[in-house]
Amino acid sequence: EAGVAQSPRYKIIEKRQSVAFWCNPISGHATLYWYQQILGQGPKLLIQFQNNGVVDDSQLPKDRFSAERLKGVDSTLKIQPAKLEDSAVYLCASSPRGAVYGYTFGSGTRLTVV
Amino acid sequence: GQQLNQSPQSMFIQEGEDVSMNCTSSSIFNTWLWYKQDPGEGPVLLIALYKAGELTSNGRLTAQFGITRKDSFLNISASIPSDVGIYFCAGHMTGGGADGLTFGKGTHLIIQP
Repeated sequence: EAGVAQSPRYKIIEKRQSVAFWCNPISGHATLYWYQQILGQGPKLLIQFQNNGVVDDSQLPKDRFSAERLKGVDSTLKIQPAKLEDSAVYLCASSPRGAVYGYTFGSGTRLTVV
Repeated sequence: GQQLNQSPQSMFIQEGEDVSMNCTSSSIFNTWLWYKQDPGEGPVLLIALYKAGELTSNGRLTAQFGITRKDSFLNISASIPSDVGIYFCAGHMTGGGADGLTFGKGTHLIIQP
């Protein structure tokens, strides 16, 4: 079974620029999550999708972050404009609906904002 | 957002020693999970605990779900070099559709030669 695919692996941008990350979940997984992991901390949930609908985006900084999951498969997370404090690893995860045991993370995109 | 209290922050041990780490929360969870994260990779699930009081083993790993549902511990017996990495606890609460995980800050395990 193929894992959760993310790209790019690394991205360096200047503050105030925009950036986008892409995630392709495990086939058949209805639920998709984006997490932010700042160096030295555990991952923090940004947004959860169930198919192509948003279930929880309470921790997403909506003034600069946006995410979509068109057609209920791939997802894109965008930051515009980026700030220095957005430097982090952005992890995508997917799971079968309501199933914690199938929760699988991708390798992440490491973003550095300079 | 809430983060779980995980301790110790780091551990320096000799190969072959046993390791113990724990996690506490001010909120209850239905499920406790323990993950390991290697550099440049996403967290990988080690053990999932679904019932208060449950004690579960996975090879040299043993974890328990606290009776109060607000804590959990992970033990690693007879550590080996490949155990090096960062271990995270995570809590999960079902219901209402939102089921993101709440993570601790991690325990960095370092094995000294």
